[in-house]
Amino acid sequence: DSGVTQTPKHLITATGQRVTLRCSPRSGDLSVYWYQQSLDQGLQFLIQYYNGEERAKGNILERFSAQQFPDLHSELNLSSLELGDSALYFCASSEGLTSGNTYEQYFGPGTRLTVT
Amino acid sequence: AQSVTQLDSHVSVSEGTPVLLRCNYSSSYSPSLFWYVQHPNKGLQLLLKYTSAATLVKGINGFEAEFKKSETSFHLTKPSAHMSDAAEYFCVIQGAQKLVFGQGTRLTINP
Repeated sequence: DSGVTQTPKHLITATGQRVTLRCSPRSGDLSVYWYQQSLDQGLQFLIQYYNGEERAKGNILERFSAQQFPDLHSELNLSSLELGDSALYFCASSEGLTSGNTYEQYFGPGTRLTVT
Repeated sequence: AQSVTQLDSHVSVSEGTPVLLRCNYSSSYSPSLFWYVQHPNKGLQLLLKYTSAATLVKGINGFEAEFKKSETSFHLTKPSAHMSDAAEYFCVIQGAQKLVFGQGTRLTINP
């Protein structure tokens, strides 16, 4: 158990809908990262927050957004969903920022999103 | 930009035989490298990490990896495979503010 929790575990929704994925980092970790894992794209970094502020963006679509709250939990919002958004979405947390330092990232169990 | 290439998409070995999962990296500076494992329907677990200290890195569950700058490689090995090692393995390099994952190697263990 990494200490990172994600809810829900599974989510099935229809095209055009909007969903929210939630992540609670390990106790004491200030950085939260979101990743998408799909069969065709592999594991891709989406976005990072550090202590409430956005720090880095990867291959995140404009239809997707995220935020980190004062209690450090994070939410990933996916809107206008398409079939191609079906994937496993992981949240990870680390102690600090990765740039200039090596902080291990601890991954949650993921949320499997199925868009029908 | 930082990148990693996992040379095999699938490796199959017999239980009790050695495991070798190959990874080459590309980096414009001294890299930080990781191996993560993902068991079916599970999240990713860190096996080991290299951060410019010892070039031979020991991880959990008997795995180790050797950083070879001359070959730009970071191969993962284990002397004797166990059935529980069957999983997807990812070689990962640390980029600016993010991790960059290889495409993964699926390890199958034959009884």
